[in-house]
Amino acid sequence: EPEVTQTPSHQVTQMGQEVILRCVPISNHLYFYWYRQILGQKVEFLVSFYNNEISEKSEIFDDQFSVERPDGSNFTLKIRSTKLEDSAMYFCASSETRNTIYFGEGSWLTVV
Amino acid sequence: QQQVKQSPQSLIVQKGGISIINCAYENTAFDYFPWYQQFPGKGPALLIAIRPDVSEKKEGRFTISFNKSAKQFSLHIMDSQPGDSATYFCAASNQAGTALIFGKGTTLSVSS
Repeated sequence: EPEVTQTPSHQVTQMGQEVILRCVPISNHLYFYWYRQILGQKVEFLVSFYNNEISEKSEIFDDQFSVERPDGSNFTLKIRSTKLEDSAMYFCASSETRNTIYFGEGSWLTVV
Repeated sequence: QQQVKQSPQSLIVQKGGISIINCAYENTAFDYFPWYQQFPGKGPALLIAIRPDVSEKKEGRFTISFNKSAKQFSLHIMDSQPGDSATYFCAASNQAGTALIFGKGTTLSVSS
């Protein structure tokens, strides 16, 4: 079964450092997403990406965040200057059409 | 209006019993209601979803009941098994957007 793959599975970074989380969405999918989940809390929407541009973003997705689809297969989330409160599990997701969204296994980011 | 309220927070059910998780929403623009299952350390996995034009959808042991007038929907797990022990999230999205709004989750424990 096709799946969304994410790297790294776990990253520890110093506060203020830049982090790039990488994702390979399911191959025929057109919509790409990033969500995050702080430990023990609900899953929160960050951003959606369609047709090479951001289609929707949440209040969480401020200027320190950016997304990119550098080639035909990868989708990345960059956090420019990490803060302690950015520590969370970050999930990449994709969908062929809107709504039916499939999640990857996540990248656990720890900011120290 | 963008919230999805989920209850209970946790649930313990005996093997073979019925697990019932409830969600309520305010935004009448929501038109897609999925349920996700999440095991520790894994990404949310799409379990079953419903649109408001039907009142019930069944897939195997999992059933969604939808009450449009009450703006509520629920997940029923029949013949609950220890392998069903996980966190379950309801979610909602609307035609105009791409974001899934998640409930806070229900931790289900099925005792053998």
